[in-house]
Amino acid sequence: KAGVTQTPRYLIKTRGQQVTLSCSPISGHRSVSWYQQTPGQGLQFLFEYFSETQRNKGNFPGRFSGRQFSNSRSEMNVSTLELGDSALYLCASSPLGTQGGLAKNIQYFGAGTRLSVL
Amino acid sequence: GDSVTQMEGPVTLSEEAFLTINCTYTATGYPSLFWYVQYPGEGLQLLLKATKADDKGSNKGFEATYRKETTSFHLEKGSVQVSDSAVYFCALANAGNNRKLIWGLGTSLAVNP
Repeated sequence: KAGVTQTPRYLIKTRGQQVTLSCSPISGHRSVSWYQQTPGQGLQFLFEYFSETQRNKGNFPGRFSGRQFSNSRSEMNVSTLELGDSALYLCASSPLGTQGGLAKNIQYFGAGTRLSVL
Repeated sequence: GDSVTQMEGPVTLSEEAFLTINCTYTATGYPSLFWYVQYPGEGLQLLLKATKADDKGSNKGFEATYRKETTSFHLEKGSVQVSDSAVYFCALANAGNNRKLIWGLGTSLAVNP
């Protein structure tokens, strides 16, 4: 079974631009979560989508948005990029939404997209 | 709010040494606890987990015991290998939302031959 796939792996943008990151979850997984990883702040939760609906949201500005498609693939968009947005963006998928026990809600991570804002 | 505190790294050990990475947490209720590992250039992989007090999670020679009385979930391995060099993250998920993980800052481990 293929793992979580994130594209692209690397991106270089300049301040003010916008960027779209893509995540393909493990086949059959319906929940996709996004995280930002930086050396100073560690891993911070951005948002989670399940069945095309945003179920949870972290404390990030409105410049960060996402969506999920009917095939569970997800995209994350950052508009008006700032230098501080430089980070590794990780996507994680899990099988179920609010139903099911812990074992079925374990998250499986992709390798991430490293975004550099110049 | 909920939080996770890990010992700061980097930790440098010789092969076959004993490893302990401390993790303590603050949470309401009864969270589930996790250790994830991130190898260079890769995403995070679940290493082990525990869902209730006194549970012991184990995998690949690593162990951690959920200690509610000390709110801790320390990671241990009796004999580390060079291939264990990675960044280790402790995380919790509260009962109401198992997917919204709260993370520690990570501890970098380097094992020298």
